[in-house]
Amino acid sequence: AQKVTQAQTEISVVEKEDVTLDCVYETRDTTYYLFWYKQPPSGELVFLIRRNSFDEQNEISGRYSWNFQKSTSSFNFTITASQVVDSAVYFCALSDDDTGFQKLVFGTGTRLLVSP
Amino acid sequence: SQTIHQWPATLVQPVGSPLSLECTVEGTSNPNLYWYRQAAGRGLQLLFYSVGIGQISSEVPQNLSASRPQDRQFILSSKKLLLSDSGFYLCAWSGGMLNSPLHFGNGTRLTVT
Repeated sequence: AQKVTQAQTEISVVEKEDVTLDCVYETRDTTYYLFWYKQPPSGELVFLIRRNSFDEQNEISGRYSWNFQKSTSSFNFTITASQVVDSAVYFCALSDDDTGFQKLVFGTGTRLLVSP
Repeated sequence: SQTIHQWPATLVQPVGSPLSLECTVEGTSNPNLYWYRQAAGRGLQLLFYSVGIGQISSEVPQNLSASRPQDRQFILSSKKLLLSDSGFYLCAWSGGMLNSPLHFGNGTRLTVT
């Protein structure tokens, strides 16, 4: 069965600090996709990144970076030099369905509070 | 560009009343459509998904139903709401490729009183 664990319920940092959000997943499939979404206070979910199971290259996008390690079944998300606008709930998600539907399994989310 | 519209943004309904939430997608054809629910303090749970008009798959047995009367329209309904139906409902769409990300609407916050 698929499972996504985000053990950090809430993280508080001060602006400009670096912060890492942890994500651990479980799946029996060899082909799967991992995602991160951001949910700001307004409520909508914003897609940040997807990664397939065959691509273990880490990715950097501006202040955001992702560390995918199959050996530990982890897909961690780091925000460098955090800003107040980064305050949101962040969800990690997994999809291993091969029918083309994104039947995502979400973690319970990590609430990030960045104070000035 | 593609956009997704979901309404209403907030809704307060008494127990036993009916429900109808609507979602429409613009700028794409034959999207996969999804309804998710986010209960307070919890992650998102997939309720329904659809690959085409009239084709609905249910993930979780519940007091809700979904319909897709048009290619880009997805409706979530209930005949009689329960207190446990309260939550944040999100509609989403994706393309047909396995690696297509989900794109979410702004959500509807439903409070059943």
